[in-house]
Formats: sequence, structure tokens, C-alpha cells
Amino acid sequence: GAVVSQHPSWVICKSGTSVKIECRSLDFQATTMFWYRQFPKQSLMLMATSNEGSKATYEQGVEKDKFLINHASLTLSTLTVTSAHPEDSSFYICSARDIQFNTEAFFGQGTRLTVV
Amino acid sequence: LAKTTQPISMDSYEGQEVNITCSHNNIATNDYITWYQQFPSQGPRFIIQGYKTKVTNEVASLFIPADRKSSTLSLPRVSLSDTAVYYCLVGDSRGYSSASKIIFGSGTRLSIRP
Repeated sequence: GAVVSQHPSWVICKSGTSVKIECRSLDFQATTMFWYRQFPKQSLMLMATSNEGSKATYEQGVEKDKFLINHASLTLSTLTVTSAHPEDSSFYICSARDIQFNTEAFFGQGTRLTVV
Repeated sequence: LAKTTQPISMDSYEGQEVNITCSHNNIATNDYITWYQQFPSQGPRFIIQGYKTKVTNEVASLFIPADRKSSTLSLPRVSLSDTAVYYCLVGDSRGYSSASKIIFGSGTRLSIRP
């Protein structure tokens, strides 16, 4: 099956710094990517949807200036958590699909962010 | 969006058959029912999808009654490695809502004991 790879798998950063998480589709063109956040023992919460070459669409309550999403190519989307604070510590998961061929969504393995 | 309701948690033992039921009373005519599995610190993994009656694959079976207002995921002879969270989603044939998003409900936390 199709593979979506996230990098890094985990990251620890100091409060106030920015962290970038990459999401790559390894064997298909990801025209649409989704970013989720998951707190311990909770469900996945959709943060934003990004389409290649256009601005991301953020879900209500998600700060677009804090969570910068770039989907510059058909195989790469990045999520940058700017000025991270301890409350941003969470598990971030990306998902990608090829909307042109109406494929299912494939999920990355997730990135554990810890802000200290 | 068709809302889904699942039990928060379930416990079972190795070798048993586990059935997880999901309610989706306002499912639309075009909606499919999709189940995902998530292990701790991993992304969700597709398990099975169906529209009506019964679907079976190498991992699970999905039972959908005629009114389609509920569905039951059946895991035959579970093992410890089946301990995970199971999500029931309702949407188009790829699992998406009308807005082309995948929205996760609360899921069912399944714990398998020796």
C-alpha cells in the first residue's frame, strides 16, 4: 500500500522556539494533505487541510499564525509550530490522499512533540 | 456529518471474538462505513469498509443491518496485539465526509488480556 512518512518521529524543543514537521508521500502524489493533533487518550482532532499550491484551510479554533502549513509540492507538506509552548506538546499526525484519483487517505506514523 | 457513537472502552481475553458496535442514526444514502485501528503512538490504519450486509477480509468482518443505522466490527479470536483504539467513521466510499475530510469520533479503546 501507499506510504506516508513523517519526520521526525519525535522532537523535544525549548519553549519559544519553532519546530518543523515534514510529511511525505513516498509513492503517490498527495494533492491533499490533512494535519491532526492528538492529546493523550483522546481522539484525533483535525487541524487543517492543505491542497498543493494553495493556502491551507484551518479548522475552527486552530491558529493559522501559530501552526504554519506549507504544501509546496505534490509529495511534501510541512507543519511548523511557531513559538512553541508546553501546551503545544502533543502527537501530530499527517494524512495524504490523491484527490484526482479519489484514493483513500494514508496516515503517517505521527510525530511526538514535547515542549519543555 | 453523520455522527457516530461507540462504547468508550471494551475488555476481552485472548482467543475470544470481539464485537464493537457503532451507531450512526443519521447515515446518508451515499455514506459508507469505515473502521480504523490505532496503536499507541502510531497513525490510524484502515481495517475494513462496507455499505450494507456483511463484508469480510483477512482481519475482520463488518456487519451492517438493513437500516444501516448501526454497524458491528467483529474481530475473530483476538490476541494481545489487537489491543488498540478502534474508530468507526461514516462518509463517502473513501471514508470522507461531504467536506472531503476524515473526522474521527471518540473511538473504542479495546484491551485484550491474557
